[in-house]
Amino acid sequence: AQSVSQHNHHVILSEAASLELGCNYSYGGTVNLFWYVQYPGQHLQLLLKYFSGDPLVKGIKGFEAEFIKSKFSFNLRKPSVQWSDTAEYFCAAAGSGGYQKVTFGTGTKLQVIP
Amino acid sequence: DAGITQSPRHKVTETGTPVTLRCHQTENHRYMYWYRQDPGHGLRLIHYSYGVKDTDKGEVSDGYSVSRSKTEDFLLTLESATSSQTSVYFCAISEIEETQYFGPGTRLLVL
Repeated sequence: AQSVSQHNHHVILSEAASLELGCNYSYGGTVNLFWYVQYPGQHLQLLLKYFSGDPLVKGIKGFEAEFIKSKFSFNLRKPSVQWSDTAEYFCAAAGSGGYQKVTFGTGTKLQVIP
Repeated sequence: DAGITQSPRHKVTETGTPVTLRCHQTENHRYMYWYRQDPGHGLRLIHYSYGVKDTDKGEVSDGYSVSRSKTEDFLLTLESATSSQTSVYFCAISEIEETQYFGPGTRLLVL
């Protein structure tokens, strides 16, 4: 069965600290990967995505993620977080080629302390 | 932001009453989805549509039905609301490459 795991449910960091949120997926075949962010009281917004090519993907607001096929991972990183990064982050995966359902992880709540 | 609206944005209803949530898009995207978001569960797919009058079940479809009579509208109906259906409901749209764009959400409270 297809699945996405986010092992960190709640992360607390001070401003300027570095961030790495883990995401592991279990999918047969080629996979497309996404990170979404949900700010308090808002809807999900696409942060970045990986379909193919360079495994290091850069997204909005200074975020990046690295696709490591051998580890089935797509971890999200940011070198220096800000208070405004306080949000919930969702990793998601879908099979590539034609329509396939997207599977979401359970989310990681990030709290950045000023 | 993608042109997606949801209505109503907030609703309080009683157990046993029917409820319909509406998702409207102006992007002419082929695929539309309904998710529910609950603490500890992330987003779970209720139903999705891959074209007008073409719909299919997601992982948590029991107690929900959908309809899509026009490309731009996707309706989610709770035939007889239960307290377990208290949740935040998100609509999403996409084209074939699977990047989904989400609406603002509907908070539903079933008393």
